[in-house]
Amino acid sequence: DAMVIQNPRYQVTQFGKPVTLSCSQTLNHNVMYWYQQKSSQAPKLLFHYYDKDFNNEADTPDNFQSRRPNTSFCFLDIRSPGLGDAAMYLCATSRETGGDQPQHFGDGTRLSIL
Amino acid sequence: GNSVTQMEGPVTLSEEAFLTINCTYTATGYPSLFWYVQYPGEGLQLLLKATKADDKGSNKGFEATYRKETTSFHLEKGSVQVSDSAVYFCALSDNDYKLSFGAGTTVTVRA
Repeated sequence: DAMVIQNPRYQVTQFGKPVTLSCSQTLNHNVMYWYQQKSSQAPKLLFHYYDKDFNNEADTPDNFQSRRPNTSFCFLDIRSPGLGDAAMYLCATSRETGGDQPQHFGDGTRLSIL
Repeated sequence: GNSVTQMEGPVTLSEEAFLTINCTYTATGYPSLFWYVQYPGEGLQLLLKATKADDKGSNKGFEATYRKETTSFHLEKGSVQVSDSAVYFCALSDNDYKLSFGAGTTVTVRA
């Protein structure tokens, strides 16, 4: 059974049109992460939540926002998508922060910008 | 800072061949080490992990040993299958939330 679920799997939006990607988890993990992965590259962390505490990476553009209304759900909002934002977006969870905690990934949402 | 250097690909093998993907790391503390696998069109899956020196992680016929003296965590499998075709990422986490990934190695196994 899928434990980290991302919807939709594929999303197409227009240049400059806001888009929201969603992630839900059945693991009851405290930490949720959003990554951006471009073709043939490693995932790049955008931000993470520990419970309701939001932590932004220093180099994450302001165009990217996130919401976590409850333990199970987390959303990625891209306010004005540009062509450079076309990528796979991966959601992940972990029980806690800490070096030995593996992260559990969803299957991703592939975002295309027209 | 922390970093992971991974063997460059792509790697192409025949079925039943031996696979090694080299991974070395730089870390300020005592990191945990991971191998993740990404099949085409999917997210990353944890393949195996090791949390301290000399630990061996293993799963699905894959193995990797945490070598502190050589700061390495090489991935090995004795006999690969076509279904092992994927991108493999070595990663470390040094007692915080952040995973530092290697660049990934694409492995293609031919029947």
